[in-house]
Amino acid sequence: NAGVMQNPRHLVRRRGQEARLRCSPMKGHSHVYWYRQLPEEGLKFMVYLQKENIIDESGMPKERFSAEFPKEGPSILRIQQVVRGDSAAYFCASSPTRQPGSTDTQYFGPGTRLTVL
Amino acid sequence: AQSVTQLDSQVPVFEEAPVELRCNYSSSVSVYLFWYVQYPNQGLQLLLKYLSGSTLVKGINGFEAEFNKSQTSFHLRKPSVHISDTAEYFCAVSLQGAQKLVFGQGTRLTINP
Repeated sequence: NAGVMQNPRHLVRRRGQEARLRCSPMKGHSHVYWYRQLPEEGLKFMVYLQKENIIDESGMPKERFSAEFPKEGPSILRIQQVVRGDSAAYFCASSPTRQPGSTDTQYFGPGTRLTVL
Repeated sequence: AQSVTQLDSQVPVFEEAPVELRCNYSSSVSVYLFWYVQYPNQGLQLLLKYLSGSTLVKGINGFEAEFNKSQTSFHLRKPSVHISDTAEYFCAVSLQGAQKLVFGQGTRLTINP
């Protein structure tokens, strides 16, 4: 059973370009989370999605960032007009269908390291 | 809002020595507690978690952690470390019934031969 897949593993963009990060959850998982890890810091929650729904986007910057998890295909984190401060590791995690009142273990992908020149 | 403090940013120890990585949390409601390990250039792997029940939780690779509600702590321990334990360790909490994880800053564990 393949784990959480993220691609690309490394992404280099110039200021003003767009970055698209992809995440394929583990088989059978319908919940996806995105976290950002700035250099020398812990992970910060960005967004929580189920298929075709954004459940919690309280950690997403108000501008330039968006996320989707379509019915078919991977989840996409999109950063428009990137700036140097967007340079970070972006991790995706997935969990299985949530039981009411439970907290499911999140399984993390290897991350995408974004460098903005 | 919840917060997590990992008291040590770096912990160097000798191989086969015991180690304790400290984690304190702040929350006005009940939380679940987790420890994750991150090896260089890899994603996070779950070491152990506390949801309820016994306050001593055993995880993978010989690690264990103890939940102390009165001290709001969840320290990670291993009686004898190995070179392969060199990694970054993250403590995290989530609200019961919620899914968002709140992470500490991480503790870099370095094992010296």
